[in-house]
Amino acid sequence: AQTVTQSQPEMSVQEAETVTLSCTYDTSESDYYLFWYKQPPSRQMILVIRQEAYKQQNATENRFSVNFQKAAKSFSLKISDSQLGDAAMYFCAYRIGGGADGLTFGKGTHLIIQP
Amino acid sequence: KAGVTQTPRYLIKTRGQQVTLSCSPISGHRSVSWYQQTPGQGLQFLFEYFSETQRNKGNFPGRFSGRQFSNSRSEMNVSTLELGDSALYLCASREGNAGVVLETQYFGPGTRLLVL
Repeated sequence: AQTVTQSQPEMSVQEAETVTLSCTYDTSESDYYLFWYKQPPSRQMILVIRQEAYKQQNATENRFSVNFQKAAKSFSLKISDSQLGDAAMYFCAYRIGGGADGLTFGKGTHLIIQP
Repeated sequence: KAGVTQTPRYLIKTRGQQVTLSCSPISGHRSVSWYQQTPGQGLQFLFEYFSETQRNKGNFPGRFSGRQFSNSRSEMNVSTLELGDSALYLCASREGNAGVVLETQYFGPGTRLLVL
């Protein structure tokens, strides 16, 4: 079974600084997708960024970027120029490509932004 | 486009009752998935529907069931509620056609269920 591990239950960063959230996963599949979702206090899950396993280039979305290390099965999220609105729970998620399986989520990292 | 909507947003039930939750996907999305979120177990996959057919189901007892209608709206039902069913139930939709379903899921705001 696939597993996703987020080893940092909580992280704190100063506003405008950069923070990296860690995620590792375990799979024997070659075709899969990785995601980072953000869940603010409203509980709405918001997609932050996605990465296809077959792509070597790391995904980037504005201030958010990932460091995808396929051999190490690592998928970290870097948030640059942190803003107060970035405060939320961040979940790393995995999905087998082309199938009907649901997302497998990590336990989440609570990100605190210090003003 | 409007996002995924879920009704009701909050619900209080007592043990032994049953409950039905509703989800309307993003217009044009034909895949709907359901997840349960609890403090102890985190986010867990319940089931996925595509074109009115259940394509997969997570490791949940038969008390949890669902269905999808021809307009892609979905409902999930929990019978004989237990205290442990108290959770946030999230619905997510994906775009797709008969041949390919895109991988990115978009979530609704969730239904918070409290079982007393």
